[in-house]
Amino acid sequence: DTAVSQTPKYLVTQMGNDKSIKCEQNLGHDTMYWYKQDSKKFLKIMFSYNNKELIINETVPNRFSPKSPDKAHLNLHINSLELGDSAVYFCASSQDRRYEQYFGPGTRLTVT
Amino acid sequence: AQSVTQLDSQVPVFEEAPVELRCNYSSSVSVYLFWYVQYPNQGLQLLLKYLSGSTLVKGINGFEAEFNKSQTSFHLRKPSVHISDTAEYFCALSSASKIIFGSGTRLSIRP
Repeated sequence: DTAVSQTPKYLVTQMGNDKSIKCEQNLGHDTMYWYKQDSKKFLKIMFSYNNKELIINETVPNRFSPKSPDKAHLNLHINSLELGDSAVYFCASSQDRRYEQYFGPGTRLTVT
Repeated sequence: AQSVTQLDSQVPVFEEAPVELRCNYSSSVSVYLFWYVQYPNQGLQLLLKYLSGSTLVKGINGFEAEFNKSQTSFHLRKPSVHISDTAEYFCALSSASKIIFGSGTRLSIRP
């Protein structure tokens, strides 16, 4: 059983489109995260949710909107995609923000 | 302000040689420290963590790290590396208000 899963694994789309990435965890964790990893492997946290409530919202464009329908899911919706949004997006979860995170396999987004 | 600095972007070593990947952090509040490994085209997975207690922590795959509060460091070590250790390694800290990852160190193993 996959602990943290993301769909799709690859996403190729054109500038200006709107897309969503889905994330699900079956670990029973209370906290979930979205990260962006650029081409130089730099990893930056975007959002963190705890029990469906937003607790970290780093400086990201408001074109990015996280949505948590329940504790096990945290989806990422991106409006008006730009070339600079091309990256690998990782979802993660943890029991608590103090503890280790479990990462999904990543979604490689390519905007053309 | 809190920060994590990984001093080496790339570390090449020969197989079976020892390795140390350096990590320094800055924080005015107490933090938890982690090392994660990312194999090619995969997500990150935890190698080891320091929450409190003994400053020498042991992780998976023969890795260990030492928390040094006076030097604000959390260096990762392995006495003998294997080809399968080729990966990107990330140091990270978490506190009450922040989660910060270092810029990563690419460990490449030469046969």
